[in-house]
Amino acid sequence: NAGVTQTPKFRILKIGQSMTLQCTQDMNHNYMYWYRQDPGMGLKLIYYSVGAGITDKGEVPNGYNVSRSTTEDFPLRLELAAPSQTSVYFCASREIGETQYFGPGTRLLVL
Amino acid sequence: DQQVKQNSPSLSVQEGRISILNCDYTNSMFDYFLWYKKYPAEGPTFLISISSIKDKNEDGRFTVFLNKSAKHLSLHIVPSQPGDSAVYFCAASEGGTYKYIFGTGTRLKVLA
Repeated sequence: NAGVTQTPKFRILKIGQSMTLQCTQDMNHNYMYWYRQDPGMGLKLIYYSVGAGITDKGEVPNGYNVSRSTTEDFPLRLELAAPSQTSVYFCASREIGETQYFGPGTRLLVL
Repeated sequence: DQQVKQNSPSLSVQEGRISILNCDYTNSMFDYFLWYKKYPAEGPTFLISISSIKDKNEDGRFTVFLNKSAKHLSLHIVPSQPGDSAVYFCAASEGGTYKYIFGTGTRLKVLA
């Protein structure tokens, strides 16, 4: 049972580059989330989705985009990487009445 | 504006003793609260939750207490074990929304 998987585990980007962080869940959950965690800080919600084709902004959406074409996948896109986007990114999923299940995280360094 | 606050960044406790982790919130519309545990290089894992209609919820060694009037919740771990050493996050959500707001975390170290 894979749960929530994220790729890559670690990535170094140059300023201005773009990349997509992948997130897949195999639990058939409707709700999916992207968080970032900066050192010494809690998890900040970037975007979330309540089902395929439906996404909404969280607390810190600037500089990111998402799409949800299937129930399983919820990729996070960085278009023009900036040093402020250096962080650990967590994807999570849940179903109604259940708690969130988190992936292992993607560590991103923007230089 | 930090709606969920964990004012103690770290806590050290002797093995076998009680660990008490605290969390304060400002949004009176929050009605569901959770605690997550996080080990290094892993994603957070769910520990225990409480609805605002309760003031206490127990699960084995873990108990969460909610004081709505003070907008305060706490997690008690009794007895504490070295394997409990991790970062603990509290989170809150408002009914009808799908979002959790997380605190900044408290790093617990249980000394053997």
